[in-house]
Amino acid sequence: GAGVSQTPSNKVTEKGKYVELRCDPISGHTALYWYRQSLGQGPEFLIYFQGTGAADDSGLPNDRFFAVRPEGSVSTLKIQRTERGDSAVYLCASSLGGGPQSTDTQYFGPGTRLTVL
Amino acid sequence: GDSVTQMEGPVTLSEEAFLTINCTYTATGYPSLFWYVQYPGEGLQLLLKATKADDKGSNKGFEATYRKETTSFHLEKGSVQVSDSAVYFCALSDMRFGAGTRLTVKP
Repeated sequence: GAGVSQTPSNKVTEKGKYVELRCDPISGHTALYWYRQSLGQGPEFLIYFQGTGAADDSGLPNDRFFAVRPEGSVSTLKIQRTERGDSAVYLCASSLGGGPQSTDTQYFGPGTRLTVL
Repeated sequence: GDSVTQMEGPVTLSEEAFLTINCTYTATGYPSLFWYVQYPGEGLQLLLKATKADDKGSNKGFEATYRKETTSFHLEKGSVQVSDSAVYFCALSDMRFGAGTRLTVKP
């Protein structure tokens, strides 16, 4: 079956604009994760969904960042009033179960490269 | 809080050399431990994992043993190939990743 897909693959926006990044997880995966990866760094956890609910949003850096997963499948990461420091690759991953202490493998999408000018 | 510390790179080796990439962690509870790999131009993918103390994960000639007493999960391979050139990430099951170690293998 298809893997995790993310759209768009690249997004260039201007400071202060609003952006939405989309993630399509593997069918049947209940857990979905968003990460942010800056150049030369490892993925930084943002938020984790179990089904439709955000089970852990402790990684969201501030209230400009918000994510939804209304039907327990596709998720959208929303960033308001973008800043140059938001420039990074945003990764999405899904797994069958998930969460702390989980043994499940996370399957990653190719990422969306966000550039804020 | 929980954290992962990886050996700083970059690491450059000749083909057939022995590889070790160190990874240590701090965690409450008993996390599962993972190594992910990112080949040039590709997304992150699981390389191997271990779910409890003394477990050994292995794949593609790579191995790592979950050492609870030293809180470590070092990645090893006996003979690296040019195709192993990639960035390697150690991770905990609570979604924490190390900074990554870039490996370049020269023919």
